Amino acid sequence: SQELEQSPQSLIVQEGKNLTINCTSSKTLYGLYWYKQKYGEGLIFLMMLQKGGEEKSHEKITAKLDEKKQQSSLHITASQPSHAGIYLCGASRLLTYKYIFGTGTRLKVLA
Amino acid sequence: DAGITQSPRHKVTETGTPVTLRCHQTENHRYMYWYRQDPGHGLRLIHYSYGVKDTDKGEVSDGYSVSRSKTEDFLLTLESATSSQTSVYFCAIRITGNSGETQYFGPGTRLLVL
Repeated sequence: SQELEQSPQSLIVQEGKNLTINCTSSKTLYGLYWYKQKYGEGLIFLMMLQKGGEEKSHEKITAKLDEKKQQSSLHITASQPSHAGIYLCGASRLLTYKYIFGTGTRLKVLA
Repeated sequence: DAGITQSPRHKVTETGTPVTLRCHQTENHRYMYWYRQDPGHGLRLIHYSYGVKDTDKGEVSDGYSVSRSKTEDFLLTLESATSSQTSVYFCAIRITGNSGETQYFGPGTRLLVL
């Protein structure tokens, strides 16, 4: 079973609109990562969150980890065509050096 | 890009043939990983390595073997390729820093098994 659930699976927005992608776990997360993947390319690291309530921003992208550390959201403000791609959340497994990933959210931004 | 390269970038092979994919890093990181990415499944861990000659299985290791004879290279071998192993394969390294640890990924290898 998928331990990290992402929603929505796909998203189409008009340029300039805000959007939010969610990543949910049934277990406490001890390291939550967000990646972006351009179609047909590798994954690019965006941000890492570790502490409950933590929030980080990079340019127009903000990621938050809730207090219970079971849900994270990625928010894009004033979306641009350059934001298009697949966004994946990942998490480290407690006491291991293994990682799990969500199935991804495909974002399309219409100009 | 954290100095990770993968080769080949694309490969077409036939069922039953052996295939080896190579991951190369230039920064001497201890941990290296092989994942496969498939629609509807996201990224799934095949094998990982925590040092030279030290490897462990991931969640989808059947049909795959790995080797790490030196720090910079992590090889993934499909002993007898099957069509179900058609996928995009990503190598990753684990990097630790002041703000914690994360993974950086290579550009991927697209494998088609006919």
